[in-house]
Amino acid sequence: DAGVTQSPTHLIKTRGQHVTLRCSPISGHKSVSWYQQVLGQGPQFIFQYYEKEERGRGNFPDRFSARQFPNYSSELNVNALLLGDSALYLCASSLEERARIGYADTQYFGPGTRLTVL
Amino acid sequence: GENVEQHPSTLSVQEGDSAVIKCTYSDSASNYFPWYKQELGKRPQLIIDIRSNVGEKKDQRIAVTLNKTAKHFSLHITETQPEDSAVYFCAARPPPFSGGYNKLIFGAGTRLAVHP
Repeated sequence: DAGVTQSPTHLIKTRGQHVTLRCSPISGHKSVSWYQQVLGQGPQFIFQYYEKEERGRGNFPDRFSARQFPNYSSELNVNALLLGDSALYLCASSLEERARIGYADTQYFGPGTRLTVL
Repeated sequence: GENVEQHPSTLSVQEGDSAVIKCTYSDSASNYFPWYKQELGKRPQLIIDIRSNVGEKKDQRIAVTLNKTAKHFSLHITETQPEDSAVYFCAARPPPFSGGYNKLIFGAGTRLAVHP
């Protein structure tokens, strides 16, 4: 079963560098969201994209950016890395962005990318 | 903005006992409440969810209840098994004008340990 995939699995960077994380949603899913999960905490919303448009942004600095491609895959970019950016970055996909009824907006998570900033 | 509080942070039960995890949310307009289970080093997996037009939902040993008036929802696991040991997260989805159409606000998590 082709679930949400993310690459790379692990990444080690130094302060000041930039990083690009990638996500492929479940086939047919049009919405991708990004979350940051710091160790011992719940995931925190960063961005949502639907049909290649940004549909939501969390409380993160402008160093964080993202985009969605025509095939619905997505990239998360983080510039000028700080030690505090060390976390598990999770991607979640859903068929639709929001559903009044039914479950087309259920979010399924990928395995995440573990980013360590030294 | 929406805020979700989750209790307890850790929960230890004997195999076969029930476990209850409680969450409260702040935005009365939130309308969707999923629960995710995350095992060590793995992705969060949806185990059950409930929408604001329903008060209770059950799936085998797992049930969720929602009290919109009090703005709280709870996860109930009956007949717990060692494989239920994991971190459980509740989440709430606020309305679109709060910064995202399908944005989830998560609680801090509950570490459940089921002892044989």
